[in-house]
Parts: sequence; C-alpha cells; structure tokens
Amino acid sequence: SQQGEEDPQALSIQEGENATMNCSYKTSINNLQWYRQNSGRGLVHLILIRSNEREKHSGRLRVTLDTSKKSSSLLITASRAADTASYFCATPNNNDMRFGAGTRLTVKP
Amino acid sequence: EAQVTQNPRYLITVTGKKLTVTCSQNMNHEYMSWYRQDPGLGLRQIYYSMNVEVTDKGDVPEGYKVSRKEKRNFPLILESPSPNQTSLYFCASRSVNTEAFFGQGTRLTVV
Repeated sequence: SQQGEEDPQALSIQEGENATMNCSYKTSINNLQWYRQNSGRGLVHLILIRSNEREKHSGRLRVTLDTSKKSSSLLITASRAADTASYFCATPNNNDMRFGAGTRLTVKP
Repeated sequence: EAQVTQNPRYLITVTGKKLTVTCSQNMNHEYMSWYRQDPGLGLRQIYYSMNVEVTDKGDVPEGYKVSRKEKRNFPLILESPSPNQTSLYFCASRSVNTEAFFGQGTRLTVV
C-alpha cells in the first residue's frame, strides 16, 4: 500500500504563479521527502524535512510538515515552464520507501 | 559521480522469454529497491533489499525475482514475462534515512 498520498492529482497554473501540493501519510515518520519526475525519467530528490522540523526552504521551494496532521505541503514560488513535472512525496521507514501517485504540475508560459 | 545505472533502457521481448534488468550503484548504499510505474498508479514497489543477501517483497512482487549477492548490484529477473508486466521500471538506492537516487529507467514491453 502507498504511504504518501499527494493532492491534487493534477494542477495547471500560469508562469509566475505559485503552486502548492499536499501530501498525507499514515504512520509515524523519521523524515519526509519530495521528489520531482520529468516525463519518463528517474525521480530526482528535491528536499528532505525531518520529523522535528516544521518548515524548510531550498531556493524557490518551501516545504512544511505537520506531524500532528500527518501532512506536508510543497510550495513552488514564481513558477516557470521548466517546473512542469510530476511531484511525489515519500516517507522512508527502516526497510523501504514508498511513494504516492504524485501531483502532475503543468506551468503554462 | 554518484549514480545508479540501469540496463537496458529499452527492451521489447516476447511472452515467456526470461530476462534480467541490471542495476548498479556506486555509493555503497545499503538499501536498494525496484519500482514499476504505470499510468495513474504512481510508483509501486516490487522488491527491496536492506543489504547483501537480505531482500523482501514490496507491494507487487508476483512474477519477479531479485538477488543481492554484492552490495552494488541488484538485478531484477522476470523468469516468464507476461504482457501485464509491460511497464516503466526504476531502480533506486539510498542509505538509512537519506534521499534515494534513481536510475534512468527501463521501458519494458512484453508482446
């Protein structure tokens, strides 16, 4: 079964707008990670937030984590056409790492 | 350069003909995994390995085998492929509680 579930499934915005994606998970975590996938290519790690952190930034990315609600959000500010991709959250446990179905983001120029 | 290498990138085969997809990592990672990706279903884990000679089933292990004889290699074996195994496959490796590194993917078609 999938551990992380992203919402929405698809998101379409104009260049320059902000994009927000959400992730919900089911069990306790050590950390939560966000990945990006360009069409048909391997996933690329974006950012890792530990369970004792509430917010983390990396360039135009901002990730929040609410362990009481078992949820996380990824905000991409000032989006660009090149941000068009699928975004996944993942929650590794001791043995494996499972991904949700992802959010498909389309940024229109 | 840190990387996970999968081969082949593309493969078309016939039903029942055994095949192996190789995966190798150069980062001395303990954990390695295989995923398949199908439209609308995201990534589903097939098998994973916590270290040499330690493997376990993921969510969709039927029809697949793996082995981990060396730390760097984690091949995926389809002993009798069927058309429902047509998919995009990814290998990934990581250390404990760190990010995963993914291979470039293998697009498999079984006819």
